[in-house]
Amino acid sequence: DAKTTQPPSMDCAEGRAANLPCNHSTISGNEYVYWYRQIHSQGPQYIIHGLKNNETNEMASLIITEDRKSSTLILPHATLRDTAVYYCIVIGYNFNKFYFGSGTKLNVKP
Amino acid sequence: DAGVIQSPRHEVTEMGQEVTLRCKPISGHDYLFWYRQTMMRGLELLIYFNNNVPIDDSGMPEDRFSAKMPNASFSTLKIQPSEPRDSAVYFCASSLMGQGPEAFFGQGTRLTVV
Repeated sequence: DAKTTQPPSMDCAEGRAANLPCNHSTISGNEYVYWYRQIHSQGPQYIIHGLKNNETNEMASLIITEDRKSSTLILPHATLRDTAVYYCIVIGYNFNKFYFGSGTKLNVKP
Repeated sequence: DAGVIQSPRHEVTEMGQEVTLRCKPISGHDYLFWYRQTMMRGLELLIYFNNNVPIDDSGMPEDRFSAKMPNASFSTLKIQPSEPRDSAVYFCASSLMGQGPEAFFGQGTRLTVV
């Protein structure tokens, strides 16, 4: 699996957009970018995934650069409940082994 | 569906004892994963099954660990004998192949070996 690089931590003010970056410069053409988050002591939760087009769902938006070497997860209006560790994972669509890196600890502050 | 169900939620045991963790995946899912999480090593994939068959157990730390999936609705992770360094949170997850590798995680079992 392609390696990903994320900042260890970020702060965000409540109500503002949280933009979480991820570098995956060795991603190959058939690999997807997946995002999960883990709220304290809970199991990881799926957020969103994409291949090369930008994606949006009820939780977040995913922006993937044209060269696919990096991506940004956007939480449009962060709340205190969004405080969590966010994991960026690169994986082939038919390959089911997930490897979680160290992620980004997002601290949403009032 | 109630999601992935793990039991027990917490387990405290003495070193040398056998420990069995249990998991009920989401009905209809054909993949099941066991992960271990510690502060030092983060989330580690231990083993995963496809249609009840173990596919990759390269993450199992040593022979003291074993996992089984006797049917599509139940899996166990056993540690015998347990050691203090096995203390961690163990997560079970399941997914459905046809929908891509989106895995649903249980709430985890917090194991403490004293």
